[in-house]
Amino acid sequence: NAGVTQTPKFQVLKTGQSMTLQCAQDMNHNSMYWYRQDPGMGLRLIYYSASEGTTDKGEVPNGYNVSRLNKREFSLRLESAAPSQTSVYFCASRITGSNQPQHFGDGTRLSIL
Amino acid sequence: GQQLNQSPQSMFIQEGEDVSMNCTSSSIFNTWLWYKQDPGEGPVLLIALYKAGELTSNGRLTAQFGITRKDSFLNISASIPSDVGIYFCAARRINNYGQNFVFGPGTRLSVLP
Repeated sequence: NAGVTQTPKFQVLKTGQSMTLQCAQDMNHNSMYWYRQDPGMGLRLIYYSASEGTTDKGEVPNGYNVSRLNKREFSLRLESAAPSQTSVYFCASRITGSNQPQHFGDGTRLSIL
Repeated sequence: GQQLNQSPQSMFIQEGEDVSMNCTSSSIFNTWLWYKQDPGEGPVLLIALYKAGELTSNGRLTAQFGITRKDSFLNISASIPSDVGIYFCAARRINNYGQNFVFGPGTRLSVLP
């Protein structure tokens, strides 16, 4: 009963390095999401994928790319990390086309030095 | 973009007291959700509301979907130490197929023994 699994849980990068954050869900959900969470702010949507093979920009997509590898997996990539991308990143999933809520992973804590 | 406002931003209460917090917006929504986030973990769904005026309980928690569809309230009765955490509201428009949910900045709850 894993739900949404994110790896790694923690990561420290130097400015300019690249990294891919992994997310997998075992609930057969169609939609998957990547959010970032910063102090004093609500979750902000980076990218989402309504179904396998489709991705769309959210509120704060700059500096990120995503890949919906298959129905289970949705990865987030930082090509050239910047200190402004220091944040906690959450992946979520839900059933598309319904009012069903999102289910979240435990987050990846990313620090860019 | 759409904004959700939560109040209070933080609160300190004595164990056993009741808690009230709310979430407001200038926009109309068709779904309201309340999540709780414990330190180091992802948000966990507490209550989902799908109809204006709806009042739903989950143990000691009760939430209401405001009649105007622009707000929602969460009450916790007889607080206990494990209620400590950040409570987020989230909302969605039914015709917002792509964009999905927006989140409030959270209410941080501390329970004093």
